[in-house]
Amino acid sequence: GEDVEQSLFLSVREGDSSVINCTYTDSSSTYLYWYKQEPGAGLQLLTYIFSNMDMKQDQRLTVLLNKKDKHLSLRIADTQTGDSAIYFCADPGTYSGGGADGLTFGKGTHLIIQP
Amino acid sequence: NAGVTQTPKFQVLKTGQSMTLQCAQDMNHNSMYWYRQDPGMGLRLIYYSASEGTTDKGEVPNGYNVSRLNKREFSLRLESAAPSQTSVYFCASSETGTTGELFFGEGSRLTVL
Repeated sequence: GEDVEQSLFLSVREGDSSVINCTYTDSSSTYLYWYKQEPGAGLQLLTYIFSNMDMKQDQRLTVLLNKKDKHLSLRIADTQTGDSAIYFCADPGTYSGGGADGLTFGKGTHLIIQP
Repeated sequence: NAGVTQTPKFQVLKTGQSMTLQCAQDMNHNSMYWYRQDPGMGLRLIYYSASEGTTDKGEVPNGYNVSRLNKREFSLRLESAAPSQTSVYFCASSETGTTGELFFGEGSRLTVL
């Protein structure tokens, strides 16, 4: 089956940039996603990138996609305490080979902000 | 703007008891999903329903049953709860033919003693 891998923890100082990395195995994905989960809440879509793009920028967020290496990254510029959360990389699922199969999520990266 | 609503938010069960988690979405989405979230394991798909009247197994379906009651509602049933089913359960919905974004509920925290 497919797999989505990301490191479990990242600690950064407030004001620095955070870079969260992800690798995936499914090369047929049309979109790749980053979700954010704040404590005690559900997941919310942070951003996504279309597979024919290398980069997408949205205010403080930059997503880089390297299809050759199957590597996705999320950069958060000027990290703030409000960015403290779990960030999930996600890839479309393939439980039945297509259609609305849901998403396969990585284990999530806990972003810890140091003052 | 309710989105995806799950009930109950918290539940404590004894081993062997049964219960049903309810989920409803008001976005007229075709597809609905049940995930469980465990520490260090991320989110794993239990069951999904691509459209009203259909359901399919995901990665971890054992010990669960689902019902797609109508387009709005998708329930998850534990017939005989086990401690290994202690988890946070999330319901989600999406519209096919779009970006595939999933919209999540707030989660249901289940403890099985």
